[in-house]
Amino acid sequence: EAQVTQNPRYLITVTGKKLTVTCSQNMNHEYMSWYRQDPGLGLRQIYYSMNVEVTDKGDVPEGYKVSRKEKRNFPLILESPSPNQTSLYFCASSFRQGLNSPLHFGNGTRLTVT
Amino acid sequence: GENVEQHPSTLSVQEGDSAVIKCTYSDSASNYFPWYKQELGKRPQLIIDIRSNVGEKKDQRIAVTLNKTAKHFSLHITETQPEDSAVYFCAAINTGNQFYFGTGTSLTVIP
Repeated sequence: EAQVTQNPRYLITVTGKKLTVTCSQNMNHEYMSWYRQDPGLGLRQIYYSMNVEVTDKGDVPEGYKVSRKEKRNFPLILESPSPNQTSLYFCASSFRQGLNSPLHFGNGTRLTVT
Repeated sequence: GENVEQHPSTLSVQEGDSAVIKCTYSDSASNYFPWYKQELGKRPQLIIDIRSNVGEKKDQRIAVTLNKTAKHFSLHITETQPEDSAVYFCAAINTGNQFYFGTGTSLTVIP
């Protein structure tokens, strides 16, 4: 089944403790991206990647890192999480940006930082 | 960058009535406009999209219209059903590589 898989679904952590949220897609998509969803603010892009070893900042990149060593994986790294990073996170992928391809979303990761 | 505004933020309609959600965008270079539906606790899923060379697109009870001159696009749901209750997001994609989403509309269909 074609899908975007995120793990974990739920994560509670403490301020400053490094964490990684994994994202994997099995559709051979070139484009992958991360969003955070907060009430009243919609979906805001954190980082995106056009292809392997190519990553760019979105609208809210501060406090996050990403890597794209393989086409299928695009992990989101929080080196030193803070309470303002408590949010619902979505990974998404599409065949290729610039060709008007729709995004396919993962099931989300609800992160709480205390 | 692009700025997408979406209205209304909440919308309640009686079952069987129509619902309309409107979005405006700022970048005239934007050329792709998808709509996503997000049910409670689930991921956003594409329901319909439109490209800038098309003025209207319809899929059963759902339609989207695009006015490039005015830089706005709308989602129309006819004969609404309780299962249409969800949060709907519009988005615009320009010649860059970023999706810009509206802030969402929470639609409630009252049986």
